[in-house]
Amino acid sequence: KNQVEQSPQSLIILEGKNCTLQCNYTVSPFSNLRWYKQDTGRGPVSLTIMTFSENTKSNGRYTATLDADTKQSSLHITASQLSDSASYICVVSLGSSYKLIFGSGTRLLVRP
Amino acid sequence: EPEVTQTPSHQVTQMGQEVILRCVPISNHLYFYWYRQILGQKVEFLVSFYNNEISEKSEIFDDQFSVERPDGSNFTLKIRSTKLEDSAMYFCASSDRARDLRGAFFGQGTRLTVV
Repeated sequence: KNQVEQSPQSLIILEGKNCTLQCNYTVSPFSNLRWYKQDTGRGPVSLTIMTFSENTKSNGRYTATLDADTKQSSLHITASQLSDSASYICVVSLGSSYKLIFGSGTRLLVRP
Repeated sequence: EPEVTQTPSHQVTQMGQEVILRCVPISNHLYFYWYRQILGQKVEFLVSFYNNEISEKSEIFDDQFSVERPDGSNFTLKIRSTKLEDSAMYFCASSDRARDLRGAFFGQGTRLTVV
């Protein structure tokens, strides 16, 4: 079954600290993996997208990694800001399909 | 920056009524999608649409659902006879390539409440 699992479910950190969010997937055939940021009541916004051959990609303070062998990805947030408080969702695109498989997300709260 | 726009932002409807959710995708995009997110749950794929026809649909997308691109700009999702369990946030998305190599762009969503 095609699934995307994320951990932790929620995370609280102090402003300025770094954090790493994890994603494991069992999706086949794999096309690409994205990380989205979703503010409460809003649509997901793409942060990074990686294909099979890429193992790291950065977007400002966000750095995503991908290990296609172990089917794991991580999202590292550096020097967190209050505005980083949101849900971070790992999404895998099926290679044979137009469908995106969403994880449940990690709810991040950055405190002053 | 171009964006996907959805209307209304919130719709309340009585069970059994028909609703139409509207979306204006990004103008040069060719692939359109509807997703939904029941409160507290994962975002789920409903349907993809290309070249004026459905490319793929999920098991959720039964005969009560339909999509249409009535003109060159709008993309609509119709639920024929709403049920309580249709209450969810519905997201429209669009992309310019089949495999979303640059990532699908999502709208802000329409919160549908069925009472």
